[in-house]
Amino acid sequence: AQSVTQLGSHVSVSEGALVLLRCNYSSSVPPYLFWYVQYPNQGLQLLLKYTTGATLVKGINGFEAEFKKSETSFHLTKPSAHMSDAAEYFCAVSEISGGYQKVTFGTGTKLQVIP
Amino acid sequence: SQTIHQWPATLVQPVGSPLSLECTVEGTSNPNLYWYRQAAGRGLQLLFYSVGIGQISSEVPQNLSASRPQDRQFILSSKKLLLSDSGFYLCAWSGTASSYNEQFFGPGTRLTVL
Repeated sequence: AQSVTQLGSHVSVSEGALVLLRCNYSSSVPPYLFWYVQYPNQGLQLLLKYTTGATLVKGINGFEAEFKKSETSFHLTKPSAHMSDAAEYFCAVSEISGGYQKVTFGTGTKLQVIP
Repeated sequence: SQTIHQWPATLVQPVGSPLSLECTVEGTSNPNLYWYRQAAGRGLQLLFYSVGIGQISSEVPQNLSASRPQDRQFILSSKKLLLSDSGFYLCAWSGTASSYNEQFFGPGTRLTVL
């Protein structure tokens, strides 16, 4: 069974500071990993995904994540936080189960950006 | 391009009343469809998924049900709402079953049961 753990339900950073949101996963098969962002009262939007190949994945809005198999991690980073980055971020792992795509989401990390 | 719609956007219902939430997808055929519920601090809980018309699978037993009367229409229903049904309901779609396909989410419905 797959699972996702996001460390820290709330993270605060100053505007211009590094953003680091942590995600660890558990999967019995090679993982397909995703980061989604959710703005208040909206649906989720894909930031980036890892399937195979390059372990450093670049996404939208300047975010990137690195897949580290030895650490079973897929942490999300951004060099310089903007006020518009304030949102909730979800890490997810995907596998095929019973003929459908089963996606397991973490419990989310709310990012606060302090001016 | 593909779009996904949900309505209503917000809903306030008394306990014991029925529920019907609708989700439609445009611009794609035979999508896999999903209903999630998001409760505060709990992340996303998969409620139902569908790989085709009339094919519904439930992940969590509860007083909710889902139907897929058309290829790109997915409906979430209840005969009698409970207080615990309050939450943010998200519909999503993906392409053919593949682990590397991302899911595309609708704007959500905020349901408050009083």
